[in-house]
Amino acid sequence: KQEVTQIPAALSVPEGENLVLNCSFTDSAIYNLQWFRQDPGKGLTSLLLIQSSQREQTSGRLNASLDKSSGRSTLYIAASQPGDSATYLCAAPNAGGTSYGKLTFGQGTILTVHP
Amino acid sequence: GAVVSQHPSWVICKSGTSVKIECRSLDFQATTMFWYRQFPKQSLMLMATSNEGSKATYEQGVEKDKFLINHASLTLSTLTVTSAHPEDSSFYICSARWRSPGELFFGEGSRLTVL
Repeated sequence: KQEVTQIPAALSVPEGENLVLNCSFTDSAIYNLQWFRQDPGKGLTSLLLIQSSQREQTSGRLNASLDKSSGRSTLYIAASQPGDSATYLCAAPNAGGTSYGKLTFGQGTILTVHP
Repeated sequence: GAVVSQHPSWVICKSGTSVKIECRSLDFQATTMFWYRQFPKQSLMLMATSNEGSKATYEQGVEKDKFLINHASLTLSTLTVTSAHPEDSSFYICSARWRSPGELFFGEGSRLTVL
């Protein structure tokens, strides 16, 4: 059974700081890993998708890395802004090669960026 | 990215009534959609997989007779919460897979409150 853990649970930083969110997963036989953002009371916005053959993906100020062997992924946010305040969720596919689309989510990191 | 839309975004109902939530893929066809449930301050938990033209598959512990899923077309899946009770109050989110085994896109979520 896939288990996903995110550290830290909450993070508060001043605007402009670079920060790293951590995600670990127990079943490394994944075909991809996805990072999402969730604003309060809203659905999920896909931020980055890393395929198992990739080590990292970048989108603007966001960079996600994947180390399957160690069961870890990190989301790096550069030059944080107040608009980045949200809950960030890491999701890995469920154990089992046919579970395409079934995700196990971490508990999330609540990020607050204050001006 | 692909767009997934849910309706309604917010519904209040009396205990014992049934509520239907729709999930649509707006600009792509999705043979498979997924329904998740999120309790306050918790992460998402997969409830079931909705398969176009066939029966849904439910995760362990999810009552299939209570949470009826219908996937009658390639762009629409519906979740009906039957005989709703206050403990069914939650945030329900659907997702659809765009390409296989590709990125998952999520709807805006539907908040159900059962009085």
